[in-house]
Amino acid sequence: DGGITQSPKYLFRKEGQNVTLSCEQNLNHDAMYWYRQDPGQGLRLIYYSQIVNDFQKGDIAEGYSVSREKKESFPLTVTSAQKNPTAFYLCASSIALAYEQYFGPGTRLTVT
Amino acid sequence: AQSVTQPDIHITVSEGASLELRCNYSYGATPYLFWYVQSPGQGLQLLLKYFSGDTLVQGIKGFEAEFKRSQSSFNLRKPSVHWSDAAEYFCAVDPGSGGYQKVTFGTGTKLQVIP
Repeated sequence: DGGITQSPKYLFRKEGQNVTLSCEQNLNHDAMYWYRQDPGQGLRLIYYSQIVNDFQKGDIAEGYSVSREKKESFPLTVTSAQKNPTAFYLCASSIALAYEQYFGPGTRLTVT
Repeated sequence: AQSVTQPDIHITVSEGASLELRCNYSYGATPYLFWYVQSPGQGLQLLLKYFSGDTLVQGIKGFEAEFKRSQSSFNLRKPSVHWSDAAEYFCAVDPGSGGYQKVTFGTGTKLQVIP
């Protein structure tokens, strides 16, 4: 079955540690996205990638980094510079930018 | 700045009753419009989309939405709600004016269905 995989579903880290969230898709989509979801705030775009080896900052990129070395993979690193990293993180992909997005099941990150 | 408004944070309906979830946006041109549904702790699933053409669009799970340019609205409807429809619903808008200007999501409407 085609889809988007995010792992792990739950992640716990101590403050000051970097952590990498995985996102893999087998939909052959060119575009991929990372969103952060907090209660009552909808989805906020962290980074997006239109194509391999290219990515752009979204609205809240500070404290995050990404890479896009393969079409299928778009990992997100939450660095220690992110002041409030505890949140639900969603990865998505689309055929191209401005098309409907398909979402993964999300990773809930808790930093204490 | 572009914005998407879902004025109802929480809605409660009885099973079998009709449903309408509101979505308003502020953009200059006709944008691309989407409705997504999210079950607790899960990702979002696309219900329907509007790019152009017929302003009444049909989606999955018996949902439909109507684009009204004069009201800058894209309200989601369902004639008869089922208990399994309880979830959070997000309206999303892409400016669609050429070049990527990112999708903006509303803050969501949480639907509760009572027996």
